[in-house]
Amino acid sequence: KQEVTQIPAALSVPEGENLVLNCSFTDSAIYNLQWFRQDPGKGLTSLLLIQSSQREQTSGRLNASLDKSSGRSTLYIAASQPGDSATYLCAGPNAGNNRKLIWGLGTSLAVNP
Amino acid sequence: EAQVTQNPRYLITVTGKKLTVTCSQNMNHEYMSWYRQDPGLGLRQIYYSMNVEVTDKGDVPEGYKVSRKEKRNFPLILESPSPNQTSLYFCASRNRGGQPQHFGDGTRLSIL
Repeated sequence: KQEVTQIPAALSVPEGENLVLNCSFTDSAIYNLQWFRQDPGKGLTSLLLIQSSQREQTSGRLNASLDKSSGRSTLYIAASQPGDSATYLCAGPNAGNNRKLIWGLGTSLAVNP
Repeated sequence: EAQVTQNPRYLITVTGKKLTVTCSQNMNHEYMSWYRQDPGLGLRQIYYSMNVEVTDKGDVPEGYKVSRKEKRNFPLILESPSPNQTSLYFCASRNRGGQPQHFGDGTRLSIL
């Protein structure tokens, strides 16, 4: 069964820093991996989705990579801003069933002005 | 605007009183899911639906029911709510083929 782990659980950085959030998974036969953002009192917003055949995806200041052999994905945020403060979650499909997502517990990010 | 709409956003009720949380999406998505989110446990899937009249259990289906009579709607039914179902609930939808999920804003349920 797929397990997804996110480290660190919380992160506080000054504005302007580049930072990396980590996501590890146990089943390398992952169909895809998604990164989401969750703001307090709000739902989840999909940031990036990396298909199993891809190595990375970019959207603005965000770059997500996928290394299936090592069971890792990273979300790189360049030039962080206070508006980036949120909880970031990664999720991957369960082994053998891509209709069920297995979620990490998230990294709570605070970007301080 | 493409969106997933859940109602109500907040509900406080008592044990045993049947309730329904509605979910509607306007993107013609085939897949819809219900999740609950609890501190320390993260998001767990309750039920999902691959199309009209096709539903299946997720990881924590006990105490919940769903139906998918129309493509756009996927209500979550708690026939006899209990305090351990106090949680934050999310509805999500997506197209087939590993496309990104779209989430509603969540429903915070408190069962007393």
